[in-house]
Amino acid sequence: EAGVTQSPTHLIKTRGQQVTLRCSPISGHTSVYWYQQALGLGLQFLLWYDEGEERNRGNFPPRFSGRQFPNYSSELNVNALELEDSALYLCASLRGLKNTEAFFGQGTRLTVV
Amino acid sequence: ILNVEQSPQSLHVQEGDSTNFTCSFPSSNFYALHWYRWETAKSPEALFVMTLNGDEKKKGRISATLNTKEGYSYLYIKGSQPEDSATYLCAFGTNSGYALNFGKGTSLLVTP
Repeated sequence: EAGVTQSPTHLIKTRGQQVTLRCSPISGHTSVYWYQQALGLGLQFLLWYDEGEERNRGNFPPRFSGRQFPNYSSELNVNALELEDSALYLCASLRGLKNTEAFFGQGTRLTVV
Repeated sequence: ILNVEQSPQSLHVQEGDSTNFTCSFPSSNFYALHWYRWETAKSPEALFVMTLNGDEKKKGRISATLNTKEGYSYLYIKGSQPEDSATYLCAFGTNSGYALNFGKGTSLLVTP
C-alpha cells in the first residue's frame, strides 16, 4: 500500500511568488490535514479537508488556501510568498475520523528568498 | 485552535534510563489523543491513539496512559535506547469541528 506522497520535496521561490504543493493520501483515506513547521516551531495546523470540503482552517492569512479533489488528493496554495513562509509543509491523511491514526507524507521543504 | 501543552520541551538521558513525558489538553469535548514519534529526516509516525479515559497502551518499551477528566496523557519509555532519540508529539482531537492539533513536542536525546 502506497503511503502519503507529497510533491515537490524541495522548492525555492522568490518573495511575492505563488506556490502550489500537492498531497496524495493513502487509498481509502478521505481526510487530509496540512501543517506548517517553521524553524524552531512545532507543527502549526493550516487546513483540514474531508470528503472534498474544507472543515477547518488554522490561524493563517487568506493567502494560504487549498482544495481537495474528488479522488481525495489535495493542494495547498500560498500566494504572495513572504520570507517567513519558509518552512516544512507536511500533509497527513486519516481514514476519516480523528480516532484513527494520521499518516504523514515526507513533506515539502519550501524556501522563500 | 485548542492548546496542547507538552513537557518537558527537551530531555537528555543515558542509555538504560526510563523516562516520561506529559501532554496536557483541554478536557472538554474530548474525542481522541494521539502520540507520534518524529525522527530526524523522517515523517512523524503514530505510536498510539487513545479515546477512553483510563486507556493504557503499550508497544514494546513504550507505553501511554490517558486521563480525559483532568486532561493529560503520559508517555513512558522504559530502558531508553539511542534509537529512541526523536521528538515525541501529542495531538488532540475534539468531537466538534476543530482539527487535530499538535503540541510542540518533547525532544528526547538518548546517549550511550
